[in-house]
Amino acid sequence: NAGVTQTPKFQVLKTGQSMTLQCAQDMNHEYMSWYRQDPGMGLRLIHYSVGAGITDQGEVPNGYNVSRSTTEDFPLRLLSAAPSQTSVYFCASKKKGTAPNYGYTFGSGTRLTVV
Amino acid sequence: GENVEQHPSTLSVQEGDSAVIKCTYSDSASNYFPWYKQELGKRPQLIIDIRSNVGEKKDQRIAVTLNKTAKHFSLHITETQPEDSAVYFCASRLTGFQKLVFGTGTRLLVSP
Repeated sequence: NAGVTQTPKFQVLKTGQSMTLQCAQDMNHEYMSWYRQDPGMGLRLIHYSVGAGITDQGEVPNGYNVSRSTTEDFPLRLLSAAPSQTSVYFCASKKKGTAPNYGYTFGSGTRLTVV
Repeated sequence: GENVEQHPSTLSVQEGDSAVIKCTYSDSASNYFPWYKQELGKRPQLIIDIRSNVGEKKDQRIAVTLNKTAKHFSLHITETQPEDSAVYFCASRLTGFQKLVFGTGTRLLVSP
């Protein structure tokens, strides 16, 4: 298993550009989430999904869109990049259920800089 | 919505000492409390978690305690080692939801 795979690892965008951060998991996990990590602010939830075709907003959804057409993929779209979106983005997935070790597995992150 | 406060923001200990990190959550309907460790430049990794029907859970040198009445939970690391140096995040999840709300993190430095 590759686990949770995020691409790209690094990206520089100009203000106003759009782009898609890719996230894929091969563990047949039902739940997937996107977080952004900023210094001193921990991890903040952007959007999440409990299954294919179902998405919902987290704490900081403005400026981001998501879709979940398959169980494996959960892309995050930046519609018009702003410097405030400079951050490290993590995708995470989790299997449905409450058995031991059913916590979220994180991808390796995408470091995004908007200039 | 749910809010999680985490203290301290930084913690320095000598190798072999114990370290305690504390978190407070706001919503009494929260039922799941994981702890993540993040080494510099790496992804967060789950190290231990506890559910609201349990008061304490141990895994070798780490333990988590939960006080539902006070809405507190804590991470305890005994016999700390330099490789324990990292940022630790607590989180909570409301019953029936799949959203994790994270604390702001504690940077633990273990000096040899």
